[in-house]
Amino acid sequence: GAVVSQHPSWVICKSGTSVKIECRSLDFQATTMFWYRQFPKQSLMLMATSNEGSKATYEQGVEKDKFLINHASLTLSTLTVTSAHPEDSSFYICSARDELAGGRLAKNIQYFGAGTRLSVL
Amino acid sequence: AQSVAQPEDQVNVAEGNPLTVKCTYSVSGNPYLFWYVQYPNRGLQFLLKYITGDNLVKGSYGFEAEFNKSQTSFHLKKPSALVSDSALYFCAVRASGGYNKLIFGAGTRLAVHP
Repeated sequence: GAVVSQHPSWVICKSGTSVKIECRSLDFQATTMFWYRQFPKQSLMLMATSNEGSKATYEQGVEKDKFLINHASLTLSTLTVTSAHPEDSSFYICSARDELAGGRLAKNIQYFGAGTRLSVL
Repeated sequence: AQSVAQPEDQVNVAEGNPLTVKCTYSVSGNPYLFWYVQYPNRGLQFLLKYITGDNLVKGSYGFEAEFNKSQTSFHLKKPSALVSDSALYFCAVRASGGYNKLIFGAGTRLAVHP
């Protein structure tokens, strides 16, 4: 199956600093990628949909200026947590669809990165 | 409103026994349904999907799921559980509208005991 690489896997930062997380589709192109946040023992919460070459679409309640998303190419989307605070500590996961995959079934599968654990001190 | 429910926080099963992880959904139109598995500190791995066709869907690692339209359910099953199947399982449905967003259930932790 398709592979999505997410980097870094773990980051610790001081309060007030910014952290960038990268999400790459390694062997396919993705015009759309998704960013999720997961709290301990909870489900995934969709934060935003990243669109190549255009602005991201944020879910209700997610601060656009806090979580900056850039989808500069068909294989890379980045999430920057600006002026991070301890309450931003969480597990962030990205996903992407192989939109050029043959068949309707394959196109609808989202492939997930391994996640990034952010700890803000 | 579109939603996914996983009624069990945790399922315990002995190794070698059959397992079932329950999922029900609410969505307008024909559902696109998915199961994913998550191991500790990892992203989600795709297990199987239902979009159309046979109600019994076979997926990775010996898992299968049965789509039941009348009960709006998509339960995950495996005939013989392995200790290595212990993980967090998420059921998801594709949301209507653009971008093919997924709506996830709360997750069910599967514990397989030797």
